[in-house]
Amino acid sequence: AQSVTQPDIHITVSEGASLELRCNYSYGATPYLFWYVQSPGQGLQLLLKYFSGDTLVQGIKGFEAEFKRSQSSFNLRKPSVHWSDAAEYFCAVGTNSGYALNFGKGTSLLVTP
Amino acid sequence: DGGITQSPKYLFRKEGQNVTLSCEQNLNHDAMYWYRQDPGQGLRLIYYSQIVNDFQKGDIAEGYSVSREKKESFPLTVTSAQKNPTAFYLCASRPGQGNNEQFFGPGTRLTVL
Repeated sequence: AQSVTQPDIHITVSEGASLELRCNYSYGATPYLFWYVQSPGQGLQLLLKYFSGDTLVQGIKGFEAEFKRSQSSFNLRKPSVHWSDAAEYFCAVGTNSGYALNFGKGTSLLVTP
Repeated sequence: DGGITQSPKYLFRKEGQNVTLSCEQNLNHDAMYWYRQDPGQGLRLIYYSQIVNDFQKGDIAEGYSVSREKKESFPLTVTSAQKNPTAFYLCASRPGQGNNEQFFGPGTRLTVL
């Protein structure tokens, strides 16, 4: 069964600084990978997804992620963080034979002035 | 506007009472899901349904029940058998095979007093 690990529970960055959120997955074949963002008390919004092809994926709000098969990773990056990026970020993995997604436990991002 | 609606936003119930959370989608999606979210736990799958009149248990189905009588609706009942029902509940839907992306509703926060 596939699984997802987000090693960082909390991350604090200064506004304008770069950001990288880590995600590691466990799955034998090529997975479907997702990053979602959640503001407090809200549902989840899809930032970006990887199914196949180019391993560098561009998403909304200036985010990107890179799929690295050798490292079983799908880290999320943003070159310059805005205060509005403060939220909870979830990495998720799915497969082409299954219907459900497995979610990581999330990383809470705090942005300081 | 197409989307997923969950009602109510906040729900309070006394211990021992059953309660039903509503989830409706007008996206014409085949699959629907219920997740439970607790602080630091990420999203855990309760039930999912791939087609009308069919549903499967997720990882934490005990104490919950669902129905899928219409494609648009997937209500979740939290029964008195659920030991710790206070949580944030998220409903999601997915178009169908070949596309794993899930779309989320705004969530319902259930508090059992």
